[in-house]
Amino acid sequence: DAGVTQSPTHLIKTRGQQVTLRCSPKSGHDTVSWYQQALGQGPQFIFQYYEEEERQRGNFPDRFSGHQFPNYSSELNVNALLLGDSALYLCASSPDRGRRNEKLFFGSGTQLSVL
Amino acid sequence: AQSVTQLDSHVSVSEGTPVLLRCNYSSSYSPSLFWYVQHPNKGLQLLLKYTSAATLVKGINGFEAEFKKSETSFHLTKPSAHMSDAAEYFCVVSDRQAGTALIFGKGTTLSVSS
Repeated sequence: DAGVTQSPTHLIKTRGQQVTLRCSPKSGHDTVSWYQQALGQGPQFIFQYYEEEERQRGNFPDRFSGHQFPNYSSELNVNALLLGDSALYLCASSPDRGRRNEKLFFGSGTQLSVL
Repeated sequence: AQSVTQLDSHVSVSEGTPVLLRCNYSSSYSPSLFWYVQHPNKGLQLLLKYTSAATLVKGINGFEAEFKKSETSFHLTKPSAHMSDAAEYFCVVSDRQAGTALIFGKGTTLSVSS
């Protein structure tokens, strides 16, 4: 079992650009959540996708958007990048429509640097 | 709103000595509480969880935590530290108001010296 896989592992962008991060959930998982982890901070919840729809959203601006595909994989898109968007972006997947937090599995993340 | 305060940003111990990582939480509802560990270049791994069953929770790798409602605390302990325990540890809360979101503390860096 490959677990949760994220790509790319590292990414460098400049201010104002757009970026797309990708996530493949653990086999058997149907729900994907995204978190942002700034340097020296704990992860912050961005949003969660189930059945190809955004089910819950944290306190992030509309520049952050996502998508879930029929095979349960997901993308995180960030538009008009700011320096403050530099962070480790973590994807987490869970089974059972995401109802049980203890079943959450995290990927290793994508490190985004905005210059 | 829910919140988590990890009382120490950095804890240093010697190998073989006890570990104590402190966590206080705030929640208006019956919370679920977790401890996660993050090793460099690896994903977050669940150590243990409390979900309103026994207040003393045993996790992986010899870690345990005790839920104390009166003190709103959920401290993580281990009787004897191992070099491989060196990592970043996060205390996490979730409740009905948070929905499916996990609310993380800022983390505690555990260093273990030989």
